[in-house]
Amino acid sequence: DAGVIQSPRHEVTEMGQEVTLRCKPISGHNSLFWYRQTMMRGLELLIYFNNNVPIDDSGMPEDRFSAKMPNASFSTLKIQPSEPRDSAVYFCASSFLSHMFTEAFFGQGTRLTVV
Amino acid sequence: DAKTTQPPSMDCAEGRAANLPCNHSTISGNEYVYWYRQIHSQGPQYIIHGLKNNETNEMASLIITEDRKSSTLILPHATLRDTAVYYCIVRLSGNTGKLIFGQGTTLQVKP
Repeated sequence: DAGVIQSPRHEVTEMGQEVTLRCKPISGHNSLFWYRQTMMRGLELLIYFNNNVPIDDSGMPEDRFSAKMPNASFSTLKIQPSEPRDSAVYFCASSFLSHMFTEAFFGQGTRLTVV
Repeated sequence: DAKTTQPPSMDCAEGRAANLPCNHSTISGNEYVYWYRQIHSQGPQYIIHGLKNNETNEMASLIITEDRKSSTLILPHATLRDTAVYYCIVRLSGNTGKLIFGQGTTLQVKP
C-alpha cells in the first residue's frame, strides 16, 4: 500500500478563495483524522471520521472549515473563504479502529499558504 | 485522556543511547502510553506503545515505571536521522483511535 496520500503537497492561495485539501486513506482503514500544525499551536486534531461518519468535529476552528468523507477511500477538508491565519500544514491520518491496539498512519501533509 | 509532560528539548551524541522521559501522573489503569515522532516536514510516525510492561521493538524500547506515572523512550544507538520531535501520548486503546498531541520533545542528535 502506498500509505496515506494527500494532495496537493503545497497550495498557495489568495485570501478569500476556497481551498480544498484531499486525502486518500490506507485501504481497509475505517478511521480518518484531519490535523493542522502550526508553530504556535502545534498539532491540533480538527475532525475525525469512523466508517465515513464524522464522530467529533469539536476541533474545527469555525464555520469556514468543513470536512466530508463520501466513501471509505476519500476525504476532503474545505476552507471557504480562506484567511492568512489558516496558513499551516494540514495532515490526514488513517487507522483501523478495533478494541485492540490502533496505530495511526499519517500522510505527508499539505502545506497551505494564504496570502 | 491523561495529560503528559515532556522536556521541550534534549541533545544526544550520535551512537549513544537517547533517553526521553515522559510524565503522566494522572494515567488511569486502562490507558496506554504511545510514542510517535515527527521528522522535519514529515507526518508523525508511530514508534512503540505499552500498558505496564516494558516493550521493545526494532526502533526503540519503552520503560514504564511500576506506578505507571512516568515512562522513558530509549533509542539505543541514536543516529543523525533520529533527530525529530518525539511525542508521548496517553489514551485508551481502541477508544475512538484519536491522538491528542502535546508539544513533545525536540531531540537533536549531534555528530
